[in-house]
Amino acid sequence: KQEVTQIPAALSVPEGENLVLNCSFTDSAIYNLQWFRQDPGKGLTSLLLIQSSQREQTSGRLNASLDKSSGRSTLYIAASQPGDSATYLCAVVSNDYKLSFGAGTTVTVRA
Amino acid sequence: DAGVIQSPRHEVTEMGQEVTLRCKPISGHNSLFWYRQTMMRGLELLIYFNNNVPIDDSGMPEDRFSAKMPNASFSTLKIQPSEPRDSAVYFCASSFDRESSYNEQFFGPGTRLTVL
Repeated sequence: KQEVTQIPAALSVPEGENLVLNCSFTDSAIYNLQWFRQDPGKGLTSLLLIQSSQREQTSGRLNASLDKSSGRSTLYIAASQPGDSATYLCAVVSNDYKLSFGAGTTVTVRA
Repeated sequence: DAGVIQSPRHEVTEMGQEVTLRCKPISGHNSLFWYRQTMMRGLELLIYFNNNVPIDDSGMPEDRFSAKMPNASFSTLKIQPSEPRDSAVYFCASSFDRESSYNEQFFGPGTRLTVL
């Protein structure tokens, strides 16, 4: 069974600092990996999807890397803003097409 | 596109009552997923459909839970009878093609269920 771990569980940084969020998974036979954002009391918003054949994906200030062989992905958020405060979830699609989620990293960006 | 639509957004019911949650996937998507989110267990996949057919229901916690997808634009998740431990946020998600490596999942806003 795929296990997804996110470290740290919570992170607080001053505005302007770069954010580094880590995700690890136990089974490297994945289809793709998706990063989501969840605001309190809200649904999930897809941020980036990395296909298993890709090494990284970028969207604006967000960059996600994937090292499938070592079972790791990292989400980088450049020049953080208070509006980036949210919980960030990593999810892995295994070869059975099922999505397994990490517990998330709760980010607070202080103005 | 309106995105994935779920109703109701909030549901408060008493133990023993039947609860029906509804989902309309994004038009053209052929895979639909039901998830449950709790503080203790995080996000868990309950069941998913492909082309209206249930593919994997191994995440459904008990026989009290059932899900249907009568057509490509509608799905229901039913709990009968409901219990306080069913209190959670239930999400529906859809994707275009589960067998594509670019099968990005799009989530609805969720239904917050409280069973008293």
